[in-house]
Amino acid sequence: QKEVEQNSGPLSVPEGAIASLNCTYSDRGSQSFFWYRQYSGKSPELIMFIYSNGDKEDGRFTAQLNKASQYVSLLIRDSQPSDSATYLCAVWGGGKLIFGQGTELSVKP
Amino acid sequence: EAQVTQNPRYLITVTGKKLTVTCSQNMNHEYMSWYRQDPGLGLRQIYYSMNVEVTDKGDVPEGYKVSRKEKRNFPLILESPSPNQTSLYFCASSSLDSLGEQYFGPGTRLTVT
Repeated sequence: QKEVEQNSGPLSVPEGAIASLNCTYSDRGSQSFFWYRQYSGKSPELIMFIYSNGDKEDGRFTAQLNKASQYVSLLIRDSQPSDSATYLCAVWGGGKLIFGQGTELSVKP
Repeated sequence: EAQVTQNPRYLITVTGKKLTVTCSQNMNHEYMSWYRQDPGLGLRQIYYSMNVEVTDKGDVPEGYKVSRKEKRNFPLILESPSPNQTSLYFCASSSLDSLGEQYFGPGTRLTVT
């Protein structure tokens, strides 16, 4: 079992819709969770982090964490074509940041 | 401007020819790390450093060396590159109190023929 799992996509949503990106992790002791965005040909960029169960909102982005289910999600409201990118879920564990494979999001005008 | 810089950005080399990829950060971060990114395999950690003169292996350290003589610099050394080291390499840094909140460099695309 992979330590951090994401659907690779591509996930396609129309402009203005809500994009929902999901991630599961295997280490029940993990405490810190991150979402990075990576545009094609560019480096990953941190967009959200969450440490506690529940929701954390930042502008159009909401991160959700459920430690009992070992599940992290990222919601993007009012999706824009500029949100089209690969979204990497990452978990801090064992002294390192463990990345999922990423979910490719495509927002169609 | 807070940033992580890497050089070179693109490099084509031949098997066995030693090379160094430099990484520098201006944020006074203690933690620095090297990753490689390959299609289907995602980002994998090569080496990391928690502070000056402290380095440790990540998941895929074979064929690589690093050093941390100064806080701002963390070069990646390939003593004898092989074609399976053809990849996209990223350097990243963070402070010790927010280790997962990493700043990434622009990447170095390496091709070994």
